[in-house]
Amino acid sequence: SAVISQKPSRDICQRGTSLTIQCQVDSQVTMMFWYRQQPGQSLTLIATANQGSEATYESGFVIDKFPISRPNLTFSTLTVSNMSPEDSSIYLCSVGQTYGYTFGSGTRLTVV
Amino acid sequence: EDKVVQSPLSLVVHEGDTVTLNCSYEVTNFRSLLWYKQEKKAPTFLFMLTSSGIEKKSGRLSSILDKKELFSILNITATQTGDSAVYLCAGNSGNTPLVFGKGTRLSVIA
Repeated sequence: SAVISQKPSRDICQRGTSLTIQCQVDSQVTMMFWYRQQPGQSLTLIATANQGSEATYESGFVIDKFPISRPNLTFSTLTVSNMSPEDSSIYLCSVGQTYGYTFGSGTRLTVV
Repeated sequence: EDKVVQSPLSLVVHEGDTVTLNCSYEVTNFRSLLWYKQEKKAPTFLFMLTSSGIEKKSGRLSSILDKKELFSILNITATQTGDSAVYLCAGNSGNTPLVFGKGTRLSVIA
């Protein structure tokens, strides 16, 4: 299965600032997804990152707040913009392949 | 709207006990059901089930899918403290994102 390198692993950020999270996959993948997991909650899909076009966002998530880039089939970034304490969560990227879905190691974000 | 429901939401057992975690799903164009174990941040893949009635097994863990009743179970026998985690169930309809349940938080006490 694909191996995903996600960074940073964790960060503590001031409110009002932005953080960019990167995911690098060791093989070309068509489907790449970004999830958020708030404390004590399950995974919520933020968006599907499409190569060569704009990401597809789920209800409740907008591009201005969570801009996503997908410059090629092995790499994607998610930016959390103008952060507030409510953005404190684990952020996960995931890729989908025939035999299953693999996750990056996750980014634990704390906004103070 | 697609949904996945897990039960119980939390469970506390003693080492050596056997546990059964439940997952029901309503997923349009269903293709497979996946189980993950989440200890810290990243969910770790356990099983992918596509066919009804065929048990998948890995050590003390096993899982089975019932596509008629839209249901899956995850069994853990002879539980150990290292099994303490959140177990996530997710439905897959093909080239789309997974739909996750809320998870079952399992605590195994010595």
